[in-house]
Amino acid sequence: SAVISQKPSRDICQRGTSLTIQCQVDSQVTMMFWYRQQPGQSLTLIATANQGSEATYESGFVIDKFPISRPNLTFSTLTVSNMSPEDSSIYLCSVADAGNTDTQYFGPGTRLTVL
Amino acid sequence: SQELEQSPQSLIVQEGKNLTINCTSSKTLYGLYWYKQKYGEGLIFLMMLQKGGEEKSHEKITAKLDEKKQQSSLHITASQPSHAGIYLCGADEAGDSSASKIIFGSGTRLSIRP
Repeated sequence: SAVISQKPSRDICQRGTSLTIQCQVDSQVTMMFWYRQQPGQSLTLIATANQGSEATYESGFVIDKFPISRPNLTFSTLTVSNMSPEDSSIYLCSVADAGNTDTQYFGPGTRLTVL
Repeated sequence: SQELEQSPQSLIVQEGKNLTINCTSSKTLYGLYWYKQKYGEGLIFLMMLQKGGEEKSHEKITAKLDEKKQQSSLHITASQPSHAGIYLCGADEAGDSSASKIIFGSGTRLSIRP
């Protein structure tokens, strides 16, 4: 199974600032995804991080607000830009491998609070 | 797009009792995932179902996918405090057996009463 780490684990940020969240996997994976879980709600997919190209965003999410990088097959970053209190959520990185469709693994999440 | 509905939204069960959580899809399920999320922690993968009529068990948790592949149930036998948490069903949108993004249901919050 893939071991995923995220940094930071939590942060408290001021309105208008930006935060970059890192996701590191201990093995090369085909697919990497970023999810958001707002307080009391289920997970919502933000985007698919594509290695070497622009991320694919879901409806309601845009690159200017959530820029994503994926420079290689083990690492990705999600930036939450120009934050507002509505961005307070848990952000989770998820990985899957095309060769093993039985599981999709999730990182421990980053708990973001925007004041 | 695919929508998943979970029921019940929340559940309080006496320790030792059995319980069932349901997940219903608006479309055929090509892959159905069950995850557990402990309060304040990350997601724990429980199991994944793909074939109509498939049933999998892990310890005291059993998940089934109906023959039509539009509904799944998660059954916990003799519940324990360690079973408390949020249970999420997720659906694989791709339908082509490749690793794909998962769309999640709204979740079921399970509390176990001692």
